[in-house]
Order: sequence, then C-alpha cells, then structure tokens
Amino acid sequence: KQEVTQIPAALSVPEGENLVLNCSFTDSAIYNLQWFRQDPGKGLTSLLLIQSSQREQTSGRLNASLDKSSGRSTLYIAASQPGDSATYLCAVRYNNAGNMLTFGGGTRLMVKP
Amino acid sequence: NAGVTQTPKFRILKIGQSMTLQCTQDMNHNYMYWYRQDPGMGLKLIYYSVGAGITDKGEVPNGYNVSRSTTEDFPLRLELAAPSQTSVYFCASSYAGGIPYEQYFGPGTRLTVT
Repeated sequence: KQEVTQIPAALSVPEGENLVLNCSFTDSAIYNLQWFRQDPGKGLTSLLLIQSSQREQTSGRLNASLDKSSGRSTLYIAASQPGDSATYLCAVRYNNAGNMLTFGGGTRLMVKP
Repeated sequence: NAGVTQTPKFRILKIGQSMTLQCTQDMNHNYMYWYRQDPGMGLKLIYYSVGAGITDKGEVPNGYNVSRSTTEDFPLRLELAAPSQTSVYFCASSYAGGIPYEQYFGPGTRLTVT
C-alpha cells in the first residue's frame, strides 16, 4: 500500500531555531509532492509543491527538498517564529493514483517565544 | 477571487439524517475534490471530479454521493448519517495547467453526527 509518514507527530522549539520536518513515502514513482500548513480550525494552505523532476523548492524562509530514491522529503524552516506554529502536512501524488493525493498525518509544530 | 468556499461551517446531525455540503470555486478549475480529516490524522479522499458531469471514487466513498453539474460547484451528499461520518470535510480544486494539480483548499465543514 502506498503510504506517507511524518515523524515526529509533534515538535516544540524555541523561537529563532532552524528546524527540519520530515516526510517519507513508500514508492518512488511519484508525480509531485506538496507541503501544506494547517492552522487550528482552518483549511490547508499550500506552501510548496515539488515536481518529481525537481530536487528542491524555496519560498522565503521555507525550503523543501525531495529525494525520490530514498523516499524522503524535508521541509526546512529557517529562523522559526511563533507565527510558524501550525500543523504541517505532506502529501504525495503517486504516478498510478490518478488525481489522488496521499497525505501524511502531519507534524504539529509549536514555536515558543 | 474568493477561491474555494464551503457551507455550512458547522453542522450537527442526528443518526439517519441526510444533508448536502456545498462547495464552490471561482478559479475556473477543472478538478475538484472532497476530503475528510479525522482528529490527528491526514486527509483521505472521498470523491473527485475532473470536469462537469464526471466524478469518480476516492479512497473512502462509502456513505457519500457527489454530482458535478457545473464547473464551479461540487456538492457532497451524506445519506443516512452515521457517527463514523463525524469529521471535518474539506473541498479542494486544482487546474491541470499552470502548476499541475496544485490543490487549493476551502476552510472546511465540521460535522458531528450524534
């Protein structure tokens, strides 16, 4: 079964720290991978989308990398701020899954002032 | 653009009741999706549509029905609500052009079945 896993489920860091969130997937035959942010009680906001042919994407303090051969993606957040506190979800579009995104369970991040 | 809008925001249903969750997008996206999110879990795809008149099942379609009569609207119908359908429901849309299949989400509908 094609799955997506995010570890840890929760993370607490002091403000200013650089941090890495991990996402692993079970099949390297992916079309793209998307990172989302979800604030409590809200919908999902797309942060970064990496196509299968790309190695990384950057947006401001965020950098997402993709290593298909090892089945891993990381989301790097530089100089974390309390406003970064949210749940971060990773989702993979596998080649043989049509339009379906397979989501990880998310990492709940808290950045303490 | 309002993006993806969903109504209602909250709803409590009794077991056996029916309801329709509304979803509208104003981005002229051809793809639309319905997901459910259970507490502490990722999202699971219920149904999706690649265009008006075309729908297909996702991972967890049982107990739900959809229709797509226009590009903008993609309602989700719950028949005979059960406690297992207590969840947060998200609608999303995407476009095959531009950044392929980047999905945009609505704010969600929180449904409780008691």
